[in-house]
Amino acid sequence: NAGVMQNPRHLVRRRGQEARLRCSPMKGHSHVYWYRQLPEEGLKFMVYLQKENIIDESGMPKERFSAEFPKEGPSILRIQQVVRGDSAAYFCASSPGTGRFGGYTFGSGTRLTVV
Amino acid sequence: QKEVEQNSGPLSVPEGAIASLNCTYSDRGSQSFFWYRQYSGKSPELIMFIYSNGDKEDGRFTAQLNKASQYVSLLIRDSQPSDSATYLCAVQTQGGSEKLVFGKGTKLTVNP
Repeated sequence: NAGVMQNPRHLVRRRGQEARLRCSPMKGHSHVYWYRQLPEEGLKFMVYLQKENIIDESGMPKERFSAEFPKEGPSILRIQQVVRGDSAAYFCASSPGTGRFGGYTFGSGTRLTVV
Repeated sequence: QKEVEQNSGPLSVPEGAIASLNCTYSDRGSQSFFWYRQYSGKSPELIMFIYSNGDKEDGRFTAQLNKASQYVSLLIRDSQPSDSATYLCAVQTQGGSEKLVFGKGTKLTVNP
C-alpha cells in the first residue's frame, strides 16, 4: 500500500533547461495537489488536478510552469527554462476526493536545484 | 489575501516540558485546521486536524481551536528531543476545495 510517490528525489538543472517532476498518487486517489516550498518559507499551493482536468491553478506562476494529470500515468509538473529562483522543494499530495477532508499525505518531494 | 500567521521561533523548551505552538488565520470562513511536523530535509507529516471549537487530544498532542478569535494552537506534553522539528499550521478555507494555506512554521527545539 504505497504512499504518494515522487521522483526524482533530487534534480539538478542548468539555467534555461526544463525540469519535469512526477507524482503518482496513492492507490484509489484521484485528486492531486502540488505545493512549493522555497528555502525558509512555508508551503505554497500551486495547482490542484483531477484526472485529465486542472481544477485550480491559482498558485501557478503565469509563465514557464504547467501541470497535467493524464488518464494513465503520473501527474507531471513541468518547469520550462528554469531560473535560479525556481530552486525549491516541490511536494505532491493526493486525496480520494470523497468524505470529509482530514488532511493529506505528502510525497517525499523533489528538491530542484538550478545552477 | 488569506493568511496564516505563526511565530517563526525558534522555540526552545527543556525535555519533559510542555511546548505551546500558536497560529492565527485571517479567513473567518475557514473550515478545518491542520498541524504538520516537518523534520529538516523531509516532507511534512500530518500530526492532527481539528474542525470544531475546543480541544482535541491525541496522545501527547492537543490541538485547540477558537474560531471566534481565529486562533488555533498545538500543545505537546512531555516534550522529547525527537519532537524537535518545524511545525506548520495549515488552514482549509471556505469553498469546499481541499486546498490548504500554510503558515511559515515554528521551529521547535527540545533540549535534553
